Order: sequence, then structure tokens, then C-alpha cells
Amino acid sequence: GENVEQHPSTLSVQEGDSAVIKCTYSDSASNYFPWYKQELGKRPQLIIDIRSNVGEKKDQRIAVTLNKTAKHFSLHITETQPEDSAVYFCAPSGGPGGSYIPTFGRGTSLIVHP
Amino acid sequence: DAGVIQSPRHEVTEMGQEVTLRCKPISGHNSLFWYRQTMMRGLELLIYFNNNVPIDDSGMPEDRFSAKMPNASFSTLKIQPSEPRDSAVYFCASSYQTGGRGYTFGSGTRLTVV
Repeated sequence: GENVEQHPSTLSVQEGDSAVIKCTYSDSASNYFPWYKQELGKRPQLIIDIRSNVGEKKDQRIAVTLNKTAKHFSLHITETQPEDSAVYFCAPSGGPGGSYIPTFGRGTSLIVHP
Repeated sequence: DAGVIQSPRHEVTEMGQEVTLRCKPISGHNSLFWYRQTMMRGLELLIYFNNNVPIDDSGMPEDRFSAKMPNASFSTLKIQPSEPRDSAVYFCASSYQTGGRGYTFGSGTRLTVV
């Protein structure tokens, strides 16, 4: 099965700084790369995703970049705010016809200090 | 759409009792997933269904766990008998397909077995 690793496991930044979380995966057949945000006591929610035919996607302060050759993709958050504090999960999947179920990383705990 | 609906939100039960968790997926989604989340093990996939048919239950920890999906709008996860180590947050998620699209998670059921 897919081997997924996230780094770092914990990230502490000052408000206004940028944050980058990296996800490496092993299955070269993966073609869908989402990031989920889970606030304390709440459900994981999809915040941004990218498909393998695109190298970068932006949505306001968040972006995802993909390096398919090296098999990793990253979440970038600029101008961090305290409400960005949460656990972030990557979950690559895809395969032919979307047949591969995602494997979730162990999560990265982002702490934004005011 | 109200999203993925799980019940109950919280369940406290005594060891040995039967526990039933319920999930209503988003209308039109044909894939349904049950996850367990703990600090130690992260998000673990227990079982998933495609078009109401169980596809992979290799994540179910043991025979005490069972899951059903009698129709496209309802699924249950049952633990009988429950044990303290089953204490966790159980999430249900649904999607248009097994992989290649983001999941929508329910709010989860926090299970405590005493």
C-alpha cells in the first residue's frame, strides 16, 4: 500500500509568518493530492487539492505545490493567523478511475502564536 | 445538503455493552468510509463501501467490529462487546468515488468505554 509521511509533525510560527508542510508518498500511480484541516474537536475538512496534471494551485493564503517526479507535495500558508492553528493532513490517492482510496498522513500540528 | 450526519455525537458505555454508531452520507455519494481516530494511531480506515457493498474491511480491528450499509443513505458500525481500548473518535466520510476526490467527513462520534 501507499506509504505517506508528513514533515514536520509539529510547526510553531508567529502570526504573519509563512508555514510549509511537506507530504511524501510512495505510489507513483497517485494522481490526486488533497490537504485537510482539522481544528480541535472538529472534523477534518478539505481545504485545497491538486491533480497530477497541475504543478501548483492557489486559493487566497493557501497553496499546494506538487513534484510528481520526487513524489511529494506541499501545503503553503502565507500570512498565518491564529485561526490557522490546527492539524493538517495530506491524503494522496487516485489511480485509474479514482480507484485508490487515500492514505492519510499522521498529521502536522500547526500552532500560530499571536 | 446537510452534509454527512453521524449519531450519536457522544457515547459513554460500560465495557461489554453493545455500541451502534450511525451515519447518513451525502445524497448522491456512492462511497462511504468508517475511520477511527486516536492520538496513538492517527486516522485509521476501518472499512469502506462502494454502492452499498463492503469492499475492504481489512482495517476492522477484530470480530467484535461489524459494519453494514443496507441502503445508499444509511450505514452502521457496531462494536459488540465493547472494550476500553475501543475509546476513540469514529468518523464516517462519503465521496463520489473511492479515490480521486475529496471526502466529506461527518462530525464524528466520540466513544468512551469505561
